[in-house]
Amino acid sequence: DAGITQSPRHKVTETGTPVTLRCHQTENHRYMYWYRQDPGHGLRLIHYSYGVKDTDKGEVSDGYSVSRSKTEDFLLTLESATSSQTSVYFCAISEDSNQPQHFGDGTRLSIL
Amino acid sequence: GQNIDQPTEMTATEGAIVQINCTYQTSGFNGLFWYQQHAGEAPTFLSYNVLDGLEEKGRFSSFLSRSKGYSYLLLKELQMKDSASYLCALTGGGNKLTFGTGTQLKVEL
Repeated sequence: DAGITQSPRHKVTETGTPVTLRCHQTENHRYMYWYRQDPGHGLRLIHYSYGVKDTDKGEVSDGYSVSRSKTEDFLLTLESATSSQTSVYFCAISEDSNQPQHFGDGTRLSIL
Repeated sequence: GQNIDQPTEMTATEGAIVQINCTYQTSGFNGLFWYQQHAGEAPTFLSYNVLDGLEEKGRFSSFLSRSKGYSYLLLKELQMKDSASYLCALTGGGNKLTFGTGTQLKVEL
């Protein structure tokens, strides 16, 4: 399995609180991605990174920010969590363009 | 934008062959991926098509026709462990993936 670790694996928090999810990789892959998965919508891209300090928005980026200060870590932050951000969040990595993305085990986030 | 359609659910019998279709409307893409996802787990990579035609990988094969906006995943010699969701995804610039909503396959005895 690709060396991807997501933390925390589960989190319950309240509306309006800040939340940060971490994705850590040991593969030295260039590309890293954050997706959310919701029933009826499938997996949707939030933000992605194509190198250290290089990030771009995905399909559903509103309410989320990301940072990548080193190759191995990609952080996803919800500045002020809302109930609509309750979801399962997956991090993925890929070595290069047109290479398969490999996914972490996911973070189940509940916002009450 | 990209619009991807897959059947929501399918049921098949152990030992049989099943074909899961994926149709799409898009202005352009680099390639098409298929992923498998068991309930409560992460998606895992199955296959990747860039050119038209069939890619075979053991019991799994995937086909792409760009002119018809169509792909399928073929699973042979079905096993109970193949019960899962199968996700079709298109890749564009930056290797960003756009996923379909997935097909839930149930394999029965």
